[in-house]
Amino acid sequence: QKEVEQDPGPLSVPEGAIVSLNCTYSNSAFQYFMWYRQYSRKGPELLMYTYSSGNKEDGRFTAQVDKSSKYISLFIRDSQPSDSATYLCAMSPEQRNTGFQKLVFGTGTRLLVSP
Amino acid sequence: DSGVTQTPKHLITATGQRVTLRCSPRSGDLSVYWYQQSLDQGLQFLIQYYNGEERAKGNILERFSAQQFPDLHSELNLSSLELGDSALYFCASSVGGGRSYNEQFFGPGTRLTVL
Repeated sequence: QKEVEQDPGPLSVPEGAIVSLNCTYSNSAFQYFMWYRQYSRKGPELLMYTYSSGNKEDGRFTAQVDKSSKYISLFIRDSQPSDSATYLCAMSPEQRNTGFQKLVFGTGTRLLVSP
Repeated sequence: DSGVTQTPKHLITATGQRVTLRCSPRSGDLSVYWYQQSLDQGLQFLIQYYNGEERAKGNILERFSAQQFPDLHSELNLSSLELGDSALYFCASSVGGGRSYNEQFFGPGTRLTVL
């Protein structure tokens, strides 16, 4: 069983829809939770990160972490065709100021937003 | 543009050969990470260097090695290449040091095809 599970999709939605992307994990030591966006033939780009449980909002994006269920979500409101990309969740345990952030990634969900 | 550069963009080679991938981190970043991205495994952490020293190893094969030079650029050497080594190889950099969270900035990647 993988440490981080993510539905590969593709997820197809019309423009303006609310998108929900999710990951589950098994390692209770994970404390940092990140969402990356990866366009085709590009490197991953950090969208948001959250420490421990709770919600975080940034514009049209909201990240939620439920550590009790080992479940994280990314919501995209008013989705745009430019949001079409692969979304990767990533997680990391507490690093205790070692300067090393071991990231464990999900396999990514491909999102397609049609005009 | 993340500020992380990788060369070459594409590499096509034959089984049994050896290749070198190069990465220049963002200005001021001391940590360099290497990742392999394949369709079935997703992004897998290979190795991390901090200010010239190896800091952590992930799922890196013995046929693979890396180093970070005094000017902080890094090279990933892949030898005795097999068909299964075909993948995207990403370099990421972060400030490093004693912070509890270090955002990793990814380069555009090198696409390796082994024939």
